[in-house]
Amino acid sequence: SQQGEEDPQALSIQEGENATMNCSYKTSINNLQWYRQNSGRGLVHLILIRSNEREKHSGRLRVTLDTSKKSSSLLITASRAADTASYFCATSNRDDKIIFGKGTRLHILP
Amino acid sequence: SAVISQKPSRDICQRGTSLTIQCQVDSQVTMMFWYRQQPGQSLTLIATANQGSEATYESGFVIDKFPISRPNLTFSTLTVSNMSPEDSSIYLCSVARDRGEAFFGQGTRLTVV
Repeated sequence: SQQGEEDPQALSIQEGENATMNCSYKTSINNLQWYRQNSGRGLVHLILIRSNEREKHSGRLRVTLDTSKKSSSLLITASRAADTASYFCATSNRDDKIIFGKGTRLHILP
Repeated sequence: SAVISQKPSRDICQRGTSLTIQCQVDSQVTMMFWYRQQPGQSLTLIATANQGSEATYESGFVIDKFPISRPNLTFSTLTVSNMSPEDSSIYLCSVARDRGEAFFGQGTRLTVV
């Protein structure tokens, strides 16, 4: 079953612009994570934010979490061609199962 | 981090046959997870494999179709039984660390013809 719903489903931006992807979920969580998947490749863990945190940064990535709205956002600043990939949010609760959202396909235009 | 070796990396199988996918982790973990990723879709959790107990299956997945073994804390197998073209997907195993982040194998790309 899917827990998260990413928005938008697909996003195309010019290289150098910022990309923002949103995720909404339905149930209470322990943490929320974002992953990247390049076409046909494995998943790469980007960042984890715990339910008691509101914002985290990692390099060009900024993640926010609003547990009252059950939503999160991933911001990629100064996008690069190499950022072209699918991005998934995933939530984890007390049973440690990680449930993925449907994903956002990001395409960086040269 | 965790290093996860999954094999085979890909296979083409005849309908009606079964394929067993192996997942080896470089350290002991309590829980291992198996996911399916259908073409162009997200990951769907199939089951959680705990060492020493039966796997726990998610809604829509049954043991007869996806039997799982977990003989020790570093290894698990997933079998896709009596395959049909609808089973063509990428199958991934995963482990979660104490901090909560998950690590994934490179996946097994299965094509059923």
